[in-house]
Amino acid sequence: AQKVTQAQTEISVVEKEDVTLDCVYETRDTTYYLFWYKQPPSGELVFLIRRNSFDEQNEISGRYSWNFQKSTSSFNFTITASQVVDSAVYFCALSEASVGAQKLVFGQGTRLTINP
Amino acid sequence: EAGVAQSPRYKIIEKRQSVAFWCNPISGHATLYWYQQILGQGPKLLIQFQNNGVVDDSQLPKDRFSAERLKGVDSTLKIQPAKLEDSAVYLCASSLELAGGYEQFFGPGTRLTVL
Repeated sequence: AQKVTQAQTEISVVEKEDVTLDCVYETRDTTYYLFWYKQPPSGELVFLIRRNSFDEQNEISGRYSWNFQKSTSSFNFTITASQVVDSAVYFCALSEASVGAQKLVFGQGTRLTINP
Repeated sequence: EAGVAQSPRYKIIEKRQSVAFWCNPISGHATLYWYQQILGQGPKLLIQFQNNGVVDDSQLPKDRFSAERLKGVDSTLKIQPAKLEDSAVYLCASSLELAGGYEQFFGPGTRLTVL
């Protein structure tokens, strides 16, 4: 069975600090996809990134970066120079690659608070 | 491009009452999902449609929950009768295709409170 674990329930940092959100996953599939979503106070889930299991290159998008390591089944998310607007709940999710089985399995989420 | 629309945004009912939620996916998206998000947890898939057919409803409590997607566009999720533990946010999402890896776009959700 698929499982996603986000061990950090809540993180609080001061603005401009760097912060890393951890994500560990379990799956027996060899082909799968990993996602990060942001859920601001408004409640709508916002897509941040998708990674497939064959692409272990790290990715950087502005202040956001992602580190995918198959050897440790981890897909961690780092925000550099955090801002108050980054405050939200962040979810890591996993889906199978096969047609007809694309449901997202989410972690419990990490509530990130950036204090001014 | 319009996003996923859901209504109502909020609903308060008493236990044993019925309730229905509506979702309109992004135009052209063949796949539609309903998720349940209990406070403090990640969303959990309830049911997944491809056009108007059910792909996965293994986690839908079928004794009280039902969903349909007539004509392969809009969808309705119903709870009858509601229980206290059904209090949650119900999220609708859609994606272009059923194949793995397609981004799911989420609506704003319906927050249900069962008293």
